[in-house]
Order: sequence, then C-alpha cells, then structure tokens
Amino acid sequence: DAGITQSPRHKVTETGTPVTLRCHQTENHRYMYWYRQDPGHGLRLIHYSYGVKDTDKGEVSDGYSVSRSKTEDFLLTLESATSSQTSVYFCAISESRDSPLDTQYFGPGTRLTVL
Amino acid sequence: AQSVTQLGSHVSVSEGALVLLRCNYSSSVPPYLFWYVQYPNQGLQLLLKYTSAATLVKGINGFEAEFKKSETSFHLTKPSAHMSDAAEYFCAVSDRNFNKFYFGSGTKLNVKP
Repeated sequence: DAGITQSPRHKVTETGTPVTLRCHQTENHRYMYWYRQDPGHGLRLIHYSYGVKDTDKGEVSDGYSVSRSKTEDFLLTLESATSSQTSVYFCAISESRDSPLDTQYFGPGTRLTVL
Repeated sequence: AQSVTQLGSHVSVSEGALVLLRCNYSSSVPPYLFWYVQYPNQGLQLLLKYTSAATLVKGINGFEAEFKKSETSFHLTKPSAHMSDAAEYFCAVSDRNFNKFYFGSGTKLNVKP
C-alpha cells in the first residue's frame, strides 16, 4: 500500500466549469502521475511530476493543468471541463525515488462525469 | 517510443482452464515489464514485474509471465482459472529513452463456471 488517496472519488459537473482533482501520498515519493482511463485506450498519461514545482506534459495534456506545491499533493485541474473529459482519473506514484521507470502504484481513482 | 500490444480485448475461459493473456512490446528491450490487474471500480494492482533477473517471473494469485526477447513478448499465464480471476489485465513497459511508462489497452478476462 503506497498510501495514495484521491479526492473526490466521484464528481458530476457541467461543461465549462473548472474542476480540480487531488492526489495525496504519505510516503514522500518523488514521482507522481495523472492518467485517464477510457474504454479501449488503456491508461493515457496526462501530466507527471518529478518533484515540487517540477512537472511535465504527457500524451493527452490539452485542457489540463497540474500543480505540485508540496511533495505529498499533486493537483489536476480541468480549466474548462468538456464532455470529452468524462473519464476515470488515476493518480500514481513511482516506487523508486531515483527512477521513474520502476513500479508504479495507483490510487483508487476519481470518476468524473461532465454533462 | 515504445508501444504495447495486447491481443484480444476480451478473453473468456472456463473455470479450471489455462489462462493465457498476450502482450508484445515494440522495440528495444525495456528495463522493466509489468502486468497489472484491475478489479471493477478499483485502481490497478501490480501482479508481477520483470527486471532481467529471470525470464520467468512469478506473481501473485498463481500468475506467471515469461519474457521472450526473440518474440518481444511478455505473455501472462495461469494454469487453472478461478472465478475470482475475472478482471481486466494491463501489460506495461517502461522506456529508458523517454523515461516513461506505456500501457497496453487492456484485456478483460471472463471466467465461466
């Protein structure tokens, strides 16, 4: 158990509203990730972080921003939610402090519905 | 960049039968290969990991996977399926060149009584 929590676990919002999802970890892991999961696409990387205030884009970053002001929290913001962002969002951490290539552990997910 | 292909988005087996889930990666030997399992409404859980120490890797719940470099494959097997194995399974590889993980699109395993 990597001590990863996500909040909220479920959210329904309307098109055009901003939404922030929170990922919290308790074990001082350096690398953190946000993925979205959609049927037929597996998991796709949105953004990742390799330290406080150090973030980078993944393969599906358009319409999303992230922030990491503390080691334990990694926030994902949908600046103006669209129906195409209806998905299940997973946060993950890398087991290794020195390498992003090692095992990733996942949070329980946030199910977001944009109407 | 790596790509990961899982053949068969849905696989159905009878309880007690062999489970075989296929995974192929695209390019140079990755540093790590993984299989994850996802039960309904849950996050992904690590089943097993290949780290080059041994080509046959044993994981939890009786699963194992064999790394075959010549076939660029990392197929997951279990000799005898149990009803509790019904879940979605994801293969993943990490890419040294891009410092990233790549996931396959997943295979849903159905186990029939």
